Amino acid sequence: KNQVEQSPQSLIILEGKNCTLQCNYTVSPFSNLRWYKQDTGRGPVSLTIMTFSENTKSNGRYTATLDADTKQSSLHITASQLSDSASYICVVSGNAGKSTFGDGTTLTVKP
Amino acid sequence: GAVVSQHPSRVICKSGTSVKIECRSLDFQATTMFWYRQFPKKSLMLMATSNEGSKATYEQGVEKDKFLINHASLTLSTLTVTSAHPEDSSFYICSAPQGPNEKLFFGSGTQLSVL
Repeated sequence: KNQVEQSPQSLIILEGKNCTLQCNYTVSPFSNLRWYKQDTGRGPVSLTIMTFSENTKSNGRYTATLDADTKQSSLHITASQLSDSASYICVVSGNAGKSTFGDGTTLTVKP
Repeated sequence: GAVVSQHPSRVICKSGTSVKIECRSLDFQATTMFWYRQFPKKSLMLMATSNEGSKATYEQGVEKDKFLINHASLTLSTLTVTSAHPEDSSFYICSAPQGPNEKLFFGSGTQLSVL
């Protein structure tokens, strides 16, 4: 069964600090892995998308890594801002195009 | 970048009424769109895949007659919650894939509250 596990479930950090969110998956075959940011009451917005051959991808203060061998990905947020408070969702797609969603990590950045 | 517009953003209705939610791809054509339901502090749950010009594909456990999907054009899919009841209250989101990696572009979501 295809599964995407995210950790931690929730995280509280102080403004300016860095943090790393984890995503482990069992989706096979693998096509791509995406990280989304979802503000409360809004639709998810894409942060990064990585295919099998990509190990790291950055989008501003967001850096995603992918280890296709261990089926793990991380999202690193640098110098956090209050506006980073949101839910971060890891989505893994197989070759058939079907996406499996993680439950997300709720990040709270406090001043 | 690609934009998906979802309307309305919030709707409050009485029990027993039907509610229609629209999802439009504004600057690209989408032969496929996805509809999700999301409960508080939980991730998106795929309800159905909307296919332009053909019947939608529903996920296991999703009632076809309850959640009517119409994908009449390459830029518009609608989800109608028929005879809504309080347990249908939820956040509904649509998405459309675009590009070689079928990157998903999401609508802004619709918060449905059934009284």
